[in-house]
Amino acid sequence: EDKVVQSPLSLVVHEGDTVTLNCSYEVTNFRSLLWYKQEKKAPTFLFMLTSSGIEKKSGRLSSILDKKELFSILNITATQTGDSAVYLCAVELGNEKLTFGTGTRLTIIP
Amino acid sequence: DADVTQTPRNRITKTGKRIMLECSQTKGHDRMYWYRQDPGLGLRLIYYSFDVKDINKGEISDGYSVSRQAQAKFSLSLESAIPNQTALYFCATSPGSFQETQYFGPGTRLLVL
Repeated sequence: EDKVVQSPLSLVVHEGDTVTLNCSYEVTNFRSLLWYKQEKKAPTFLFMLTSSGIEKKSGRLSSILDKKELFSILNITATQTGDSAVYLCAVELGNEKLTFGTGTRLTIIP
Repeated sequence: DADVTQTPRNRITKTGKRIMLECSQTKGHDRMYWYRQDPGLGLRLIYYSFDVKDINKGEISDGYSVSRQAQAKFSLSLESAIPNQTALYFCATSPGSFQETQYFGPGTRLLVL
């Protein structure tokens, strides 16, 4: 059974802190790994990772994939209150279906 | 205008009623998906369609049916709603090409009493 596990389930930090969110997976026929940010509405796309060791970066957010150890991390530096959200990790399989983790709820305290 | 729209945005219904959730997209994508989201369980795939003539069950299709009326429209039906179908439902689309993500609609919040 394909499985995507995120940790921690929730995280509370102060504004300005750096956070690391984790996503591990056990799937057959891996195609890519995606990160989404979900506030009080639809998930919005952050990153798609297909190759090991290549960091993707967007402003204060960055992510990297390790296909040997089957995990990815999402880093957020200098956190702001607008970063408060649920962060979802999903793995795209060869049949183009996404399997989602349960998400990490991040709360930034001013 | 939003590329992926869902109607209704919120719905309260009673056990046993038939409910249809609608999804429309203007992105011109062939692939469309229906997910439900429950607290602590993430998003789970209900049904997906790779083109108008192609319908596939996802991991939790029991109690649901779908109709792909056109490339742009994909409807989800609950034939006889039950309380454990209370959830947030998302429609998504994708062009299906590698390196392209799925794009999500705004969601429909359904409460079954």
